[in-house]
Amino acid sequence: AQTVTQSQPEMSVQEAETVTLSCTYDTSESNYYLFWYKQPPSRQMILVIRQEAYKQQNATENRFSVNFQKAAKSFSLKISDSQLGDTAMYFCAFMKVGAGSYQLTFGKGTKLSVIP
Amino acid sequence: EAGVAQSPRYKIIEKRQSVAFWCNPISGHATLYWYQQILGQGPKLLIQFQNNGVVDDSQLPKDRFSAERLKGVDSTLKIQPAKLEDSAVYLCASSFPRGRRETTDTQYFGPGTRLTVL
Repeated sequence: AQTVTQSQPEMSVQEAETVTLSCTYDTSESNYYLFWYKQPPSRQMILVIRQEAYKQQNATENRFSVNFQKAAKSFSLKISDSQLGDTAMYFCAFMKVGAGSYQLTFGKGTKLSVIP
Repeated sequence: EAGVAQSPRYKIIEKRQSVAFWCNPISGHATLYWYQQILGQGPKLLIQFQNNGVVDDSQLPKDRFSAERLKGVDSTLKIQPAKLEDSAVYLCASSFPRGRRETTDTQYFGPGTRLTVL
């Protein structure tokens, strides 16, 4: 079974600054995907960024980028130029590839507050 | 493109009562998921459908929870009878557009139903 650990229950950052959210995972699988999802107070879960494990290049999406360290089983999210709208719960998630089941295994989340 | 729809948004019931949640996935999405999100935790998969068949229900408490997706489109999740520990947000998600060669790794979530069991 896979486990996902987010060691920072809460974080805060000043507007326009950069913040990094940590995530580690444990798996014996070699082929998998990793995700960061954002859940604002309205509760709609939104995909922020995804990473295929076979790709060495770190994924980027505008102000969001990841640092994927496969050997260390680490997958951190960096948010640059933080905006007030980035205030939300952030969940790291793991998906095993293959066998028809695309279950997401989530961490417990990190609550990020962007301070004006 | 319309997103995943869920209803109701909120539900309050007494323990031992029954409750049902409805989900309509994104049009054309073959795979539908129900997750349970207890306060302070990440979502946990309850059941996954591929079209109208069950792919994974290993974490569904089958003595009280049931789900169906009869026509391979919308789905209903039922709890009967409810317990206090069922208080949670129930999230529906969908993925994997039919007939297109896209990866299956992106799940799109609905707004959820917040259930309170008293």
